[in-house]
Amino acid sequence: GQNIDQPTEMTATEGAIVQINCTYQTSGFNGLFWYQQHAGEAPTFLSYNVLDGLEEKGRFSSFLSRSKGYSYLLLKELQMKDSASYLCAVRDSSGYNKLIFGAGTRLAVHP
Amino acid sequence: DVKVTQSSRYLVKRTGEKVFLECVQDMDHENMFWYRQDPGLGLRLIYFSYDVKMKEKGDIPEGYSVSREKKERFSLILESASTNQTSMYLCASSLPRTGGRHQPQHFGDGTRLSIL
Repeated sequence: GQNIDQPTEMTATEGAIVQINCTYQTSGFNGLFWYQQHAGEAPTFLSYNVLDGLEEKGRFSSFLSRSKGYSYLLLKELQMKDSASYLCAVRDSSGYNKLIFGAGTRLAVHP
Repeated sequence: DVKVTQSSRYLVKRTGEKVFLECVQDMDHENMFWYRQDPGLGLRLIYFSYDVKMKEKGDIPEGYSVSREKKERFSLILESASTNQTSMYLCASSLPRTGGRHQPQHFGDGTRLSIL
């Protein structure tokens, strides 16, 4: 079966660091994506990992361990505008660029 | 920038009606996708298309059909709308996955559909 788990909700303080975890069990794997989705808006692409290790992009970093079926998204120097849902998605091995999404983590950043 | 446009942000229809949701992308993408998004369930794939006139079922195709007559346009059809199809519908497009490139999906703003 296909299963992607991430926490439902998290809260953090402005200026702090937060780590959002994602574990997956899927029948195939061809990369893991993180998307950000503000309320009422389209999901927007944040990061992509296909090899083990850390990918850094400004205040956001994403880590992947394929052997553990585990990824995390790290957000540094949190800003109020980072309050959003963060979606973890695994690309399957069908060759059609299909994604399997987790339910998303709603992050609230407070002053 | 990739632009994916969905025809309506909000739509209210009645049970039994035939409902059309339209999606247009401007980046000549081969792949297009329709999802529904429900609280606690995340995005679930309804149908996708990898070329004009080609379509494949996703994870929850029952009660839906699709049409792709032109490369830029992908339509989702609710044959006979039911209340359990009340949801947020998201369209996405992407290039095909080639080599090691990540080719992310690009999403429209969504259509919030209510079936009364």
